[in-house]
Amino acid sequence: EAGVAQSPRYKIIEKRQSVAFWCNPISGHATLYWYQQILGQGPKLLIQFQNNGVVDDSQLPKDRFSAERLKGVDSTLKIQPAKLEDSAVYLCASSRQGSNQPQHFGDGTRLSIL
Amino acid sequence: DQQVKQNSPSLSVQEGRISILNCDYTNSMFDYFLWYKKYPAEGPTFLISISSIKDKNEDGRFTVFLNKSAKHLSLHIVPSQPGDSAVYFCAASADSGYALNFGKGTSLLVTP
Repeated sequence: EAGVAQSPRYKIIEKRQSVAFWCNPISGHATLYWYQQILGQGPKLLIQFQNNGVVDDSQLPKDRFSAERLKGVDSTLKIQPAKLEDSAVYLCASSRQGSNQPQHFGDGTRLSIL
Repeated sequence: DQQVKQNSPSLSVQEGRISILNCDYTNSMFDYFLWYKKYPAEGPTFLISISSIKDKNEDGRFTVFLNKSAKHLSLHIVPSQPGDSAVYFCAASADSGYALNFGKGTSLLVTP
């Protein structure tokens, strides 16, 4: 099966600009996650969707980050305005619904803020 | 607050020998544990998982052991191969359908 697709792979912007990332999960996966991975750290959850509803967005900086998953398939994550500390790799993952279903990750978008 | 800890940032092992990667956790609500392997410029790849009702799970050269009383798990790779050189992340969740809490990773180098 095709894996999780993310674009773009790399993005460089100046602080205070806006940026958007796109994710297409594995077909049939109802649950979609966005993680932020800062250099030297493990991934940290930003938001989790179940179909097109939000399950957990407790760690999403809502003053600047937003995400949506229209129609319960693709998802976009937006940052506006970007800050220097947002430089990181943004990873999208998906999983089947149900117990003990591993999350499968895309290759991520590496964001650099100048 | 780091709830999943991988205290060894790096590990070097000779080809053919056993690699043992360790992970400790603090949250007693965690009941599903996973190991991911990550190559540079790629996303984490799922390797193996274990639920809290088991203490061991095997998949080929990879075995994960879980010690709930010690809140400790380990990944054994036997025999180690140069292609196993990567960063290994331990992850845990309080329910398999919810967010994963990751450690900081251990960089494994398998030398010929």
